[in-house]
Amino acid sequence: QVQLVESGGAVVQPRRSLRLSCAASGFTFNTYFMHWVRQTPGKGLEWVAALSFDARKSSYADSVRGRFTISRDNYRNILYLQMDSLRVEDTAVYYCARDEAGDLDVWGKGTMVSVSS
Amino acid sequence: SFLLTQPPSVSVTPGQTARITCGGNNIGGESVHWYQQRPGQAPILVVYDDSDRPSGIPERFSASTSGNTATLTVSRVEAGDEADYYCQVWDGRSDQVVFGGGTKLTVL
Repeated sequence: QVQLVESGGAVVQPRRSLRLSCAASGFTFNTYFMHWVRQTPGKGLEWVAALSFDARKSSYADSVRGRFTISRDNYRNILYLQMDSLRVEDTAVYYCARDEAGDLDVWGKGTMVSVSS
Repeated sequence: SFLLTQPPSVSVTPGQTARITCGGNNIGGESVHWYQQRPGQAPILVVYDDSDRPSGIPERFSASTSGNTATLTVSRVEAGDEADYYCQVWDGRSDQVVFGGGTKLTVL
């Protein structure tokens, strides 16, 4: 079945780096735009980044632009989020999601990132 | 960037109709999508492209968009509908996804 599984979440100190992964299965990964969305515990959804199916076009939320990089490996069916210069306010559950013509129709269960000294 | 405004909470009794609004400047000109997020779970898509339902979503979930307001309607509300609901659009001018702040639906 169609599935997204995130991994890589951890407790890290401010200003350090972390890379999240999202393994996709059950669909043709290289034909879909993909997104990262995060949610601070008890708060709402915040979109983080998106990447086109061929990795040629990316976009970022203002809060992470210049610090986070979204990428993908279409041979291994994996989406990545490289997070550099992490801040306390980046603490959240990070979800990857599949884009079906503008709506996010498949979501993973999320991976927790905690930034704390 | 595009701003979407939702009421923080809506409360109804079982069997009643819940209406959750999402306000945005000329949102009627955008494709609006709605998500349900139960406590401790990932969001799921319940309505896409203003008013279409993905397979498996009950007909009790419907939505419409007009002018500056999009509305998600949950008919014959059940206890299992208690969740947070989010509206979402794609802002083509900034190339960003925008979510509303979310509405907590409480079934009394």
